[in-house]
Amino acid sequence: GEDVEQSLFLSVREGDSSVINCTYTDSSSTYLYWYKQEPGAGLQLLTYIFSNMDMKQDQRLTVLLNKKDKHLSLRIADTQTGDSAIYFCAERYGGSQGNLIFGKGTKLSVKP
Amino acid sequence: DTEVTQTPKHLVMGMTNKKSLKCEQHMGHRAMYWYKQKAKKPPELMFVYSYEKLSINESVPSRFSPECPNSSLLNLHLHALQPEDSALYLCASSALLSPGELFFGEGSRLTVL
Repeated sequence: GEDVEQSLFLSVREGDSSVINCTYTDSSSTYLYWYKQEPGAGLQLLTYIFSNMDMKQDQRLTVLLNKKDKHLSLRIADTQTGDSAIYFCAERYGGSQGNLIFGKGTKLSVKP
Repeated sequence: DTEVTQTPKHLVMGMTNKKSLKCEQHMGHRAMYWYKQKAKKPPELMFVYSYEKLSINESVPSRFSPECPNSSLLNLHLHALQPEDSALYLCASSALLSPGELFFGEGSRLTVL
């Protein structure tokens, strides 16, 4: 079945870059998403990438997609303490009318 | 207005109680969702409403009963829950043409005693 895998933890120092990785299984996924969840809060859509793109940049965020390897990454430049959160990768399964399946989430800890 | 508002934020109920969770959005989104999230786990889809009609029920037990009275409101009626149903219940909405771009509420944290 569909599955989205992420490493569970990442710890970086303030000012460094963070790279969060994700692998997915559904090769027909048209969109892939990154969501952020701060403690005690709902999820917030950070960015997404269409499957015919290799890269998307949005301010401090860079998404890289390797469709051949079904690998997605999120790079956060100049990581701040406010970036500490859980980051979920998600793929939309079932085609254009499908719904999201989330990875287990990567907990990013930013040390001052 | 890009908010999804959920009430109550916290709810404690016994196994014989009947309660409801409420969700409201005014973004004109015609798809609304209920997700369940256990601690340290990703959200799991429970129900999807499209144009106020239930389009997806992910084999959720009947003690959870969703309702979409109009395009802005989504309810989740709870009855005879079990302690293992304790979780964060998240409501979300999206435009129908962008089903992956979900706007989430802050969630209702439910504890079943």
